[in-house]
Parts: sequence; structure tokens; C-alpha cells
Amino acid sequence: SQKIEQNSEALNIQEGKTATLTCNYTNYSPAYLQWYRQDPGRGPVFLLLIRENEKEKRKERLKVTFDTTLKQSLFHITASQPADSATYLCALQTGANNLFFGTGTRLTVIP
Amino acid sequence: GAGVSQSPRYKVAKRGQDVALRCDPISGHVSLFWYQQALGQGPEFLTYFQNEAQLDKSGLPSDRFFAERPEGSVSTLKIQRTQQEDSAVYLCASSSLRGPGNTIYFGEGSWLTVV
Repeated sequence: SQKIEQNSEALNIQEGKTATLTCNYTNYSPAYLQWYRQDPGRGPVFLLLIRENEKEKRKERLKVTFDTTLKQSLFHITASQPADSATYLCALQTGANNLFFGTGTRLTVIP
Repeated sequence: GAGVSQSPRYKVAKRGQDVALRCDPISGHVSLFWYQQALGQGPEFLTYFQNEAQLDKSGLPSDRFFAERPEGSVSTLKIQRTQQEDSAVYLCASSSLRGPGNTIYFGEGSWLTVV
């Protein structure tokens, strides 16, 4: 069956450290992989998109890698801040337009 | 408008009641999606429109769920004879392009509680 798993439900890290979140998938062949941030009571907000033929993408303190052989994406937040505390969702997009989401990882950055 | 707007934000329905949830996408956006998000889970795809055409409704959980977008802008998700398992956040999203690989903008969601 198709699955998208994010490494842990919750991740706590100290301010200033790098947070690394993992997204693993099975039985999908995504053309694109996206990462979203979701705050409590709010809708998901788009952060980054990476294509299947791209290995790495960066945006400010964010970095995403995409390994189609391992079927895995890593999402890094460097120099983390308490304001980065949120749930982070990975989402796959195949040839169709709709997104398939993981269950999310709740990140808490401790001051 | 500036973003995707959804109404009502909160809805409490008695079991068996019909509900209608409205979505105003970003002006000019061609693609519109509905997702259902249960507590502690990621959003689950329900249906997709390109302009007024409903191209994919494979995620609708039963024939009690119906969505429309008659003029290619505002969309309504209707749930008939609501049941407790329908309690969830219903998210609408829109995108300016037809194909995949572009930014999808989400609304804040309509929180449905069926009692």
C-alpha cells in the first residue's frame, strides 16, 4: 500500500541548533515533493518544492534534499528559533495535480 | 482577494443535518482542491477542480459528499446527513496553474463538529 511517513510525531531541539525532519514514502513515484508549515488552527503554508531530478533546494535557513532511490526527503532548518515551532508536513505530487500528505512532525524549538 | 477564504470557520451540526462549506479561492486561480484533515493527521485529498470542471473526485468518502464550482471561481462542499465521523477540518486550496509542481495556497479551514 502507499505510505508517507514522517520520522516522528514530535521533535524538540534547542534554539540555534539545526532541526532535521525526515519524510519516507513507499509505492509512490512523485514528480515533486513539497514541504509545508502548519500552525495550530491554521491552514498549511507552502515552504519549498523540489523536483524529482533535483537533489537539493535551499531557501534562507531552509534546505530540502530529495533522494528518489532511497525514497526519502530531508528537511533542515538551520539556526532554529522558537518562532520555527510548528507542525511540518511533507507532501508528494505525482503526475496529477493533487497532493498526498504525511502525518506531520511537530517541532518545538526550546529557547 | 488576498488569500483563500473559507466560511464558516466553525460549524456545529447535529447528526443527520446537511452542511455547506464555502471556498473563495484566490482571484484568477484555475485549480481548486478540497482536503479533509482529522485531528493529528495530515490533510487527505477529497476532490479537484480545474475551472468549473471536477476532474478528480476519487477522495470523496461517500455519496453524501458533493462538491461544485459552477462558474469556475467559488466552490461549495456539501455534506448530506452528517455523521460523527465527518467531524474534521475541511481545507480548501487553490493554485494559479493547471499542472503539478506549483505553489498551492490553503485557506484556514472550516472546522466541522458533528454532535
